[in-house]
Amino acid sequence: SQTIHQWPATLVQPVGSPLSLECTVEGTSNPNLYWYRQAAGRGLQLLFYSVGIGQISSEVPQNLSASRPQDRQFILSSKKLLLSDSGFYLCAWSLGRGVAKETQYFGPGTRLLVL
Amino acid sequence: AQKITQTQPGMFVQEKEAVTLDCTYDTSDQSYGLFWYKQPSSGEMIFLIYQGSYDEQNATEGRYSLNFQKARKSANLVISASQLGDSAMYFCAMRENVMVNFGNEKLTFGTGTRLTIIP
Repeated sequence: SQTIHQWPATLVQPVGSPLSLECTVEGTSNPNLYWYRQAAGRGLQLLFYSVGIGQISSEVPQNLSASRPQDRQFILSSKKLLLSDSGFYLCAWSLGRGVAKETQYFGPGTRLLVL
Repeated sequence: AQKITQTQPGMFVQEKEAVTLDCTYDTSDQSYGLFWYKQPSSGEMIFLIYQGSYDEQNATEGRYSLNFQKARKSANLVISASQLGDSAMYFCAMRENVMVNFGNEKLTFGTGTRLTIIP
């Protein structure tokens, strides 16, 4: 069965510091990978998605970036965090078959607080 | 305009009663998919049910069913015989252009409904 991991679970960082969040998927090959952000009491906003190694598409221009150095690894980064980067970051995967019922499965998330 | 609208920010329901969570959507595509996710206090998003725009029957998954009214662009989630464990945030989401965007299953989410089940 497939599992998705995220770490760290919780992170408190000062403004202007760098960020690196990691997401890994087990039990599947060549998945589509996604990074979402959820502000407090809000819905999910898609930040980045990837259909393969080194292939990153950005949905929202901001000071965040994403990378996919390996097939099942997705990393979210920032060189300098802003207060507005605080939120709950969720990684998700899907099989990437392009069928209508393609479902995204989410990781446990990382709570980021920028002070 | 919002693509997914969930008009109920919060709902309180007595245990064992049925509950309907509203979701309306906006799309000009003919082929799209609608999803419901549950988010308990732990934060993880749990997939519940899916409805395709061309599906002739309403989707059902155990105690969950989807009341799909295509002409009204609504996809309400119905939970039968609610349980205390159903207390959570519920999100409606849509995937558009399912016949075009091969390999990219982007989802657009609503703002969610917080459901509280009262014992």
